Amino acid sequence: DVKVTQSSRYLVKRTGEKVFLECVQDMDHENMFWYRQDPGLGLRLIYFSYDVKMKEKGDIPEGYSVSREKKERFSLILESASTNQTSMYLCASSFTEGAYEQYFGPGTRLTVT
Amino acid sequence: QKEVEQDPGPLSVPEGAIVSLNCTYSNSAFQYFMWYRQYSRKGPELLMYTYSSGNKEDGRFTAQVDKSSKYISLFIRDSQPSDSATYLCAMSAPGGGATNKLIFGTGTLLAVQP
Repeated sequence: DVKVTQSSRYLVKRTGEKVFLECVQDMDHENMFWYRQDPGLGLRLIYFSYDVKMKEKGDIPEGYSVSREKKERFSLILESASTNQTSMYLCASSFTEGAYEQYFGPGTRLTVT
Repeated sequence: QKEVEQDPGPLSVPEGAIVSLNCTYSNSAFQYFMWYRQYSRKGPELLMYTYSSGNKEDGRFTAQVDKSSKYISLFIRDSQPSDSATYLCAMSAPGGGATNKLIFGTGTLLAVQP
């Protein structure tokens, strides 16, 4: 079974803090994604990566950056957390062939106070 | 206008009912159509996918795509309390790079009452 793990289930941070969210997948997938999920807005793509050290902006990249130093690991960084970044963050991975089949992690509920 | 529209519900049905979940879309380039299921406090999981138009059946689940109307549906027969979840439609256009990304609906919350 494909497994996508995320470093924390729940996280509480203060405004202005630098926040790291980590994601690891064990299926040798080329693609990895970071989404945020908010009520009424659904899943919105923040960033994705199709190869090591490669990244592309999604629909809402402002205030975020990413890092992919190894194929299995994709990190989302909030340089200076703000209250409007309080959300559920979901990581996903997929093969390039059949990219529609994305495997999701359990999510990190981030609260910024 | 959003690229993908989905009624958020909630939708409450009795056990054994036939459930119909729907999405509409505006981008005619979409060719891959997916349904993901998300249980509470979990990540979404792929339930079914369809390429282009037509129907696809998997057990109690049937996915339909009508590209002429830009409308997709998921039918659940003999619904069970274990089907209670949020159902997300997702779509994608073929191609490389940024066009491989999925566009999700907002999800419909389904509750099947025993």
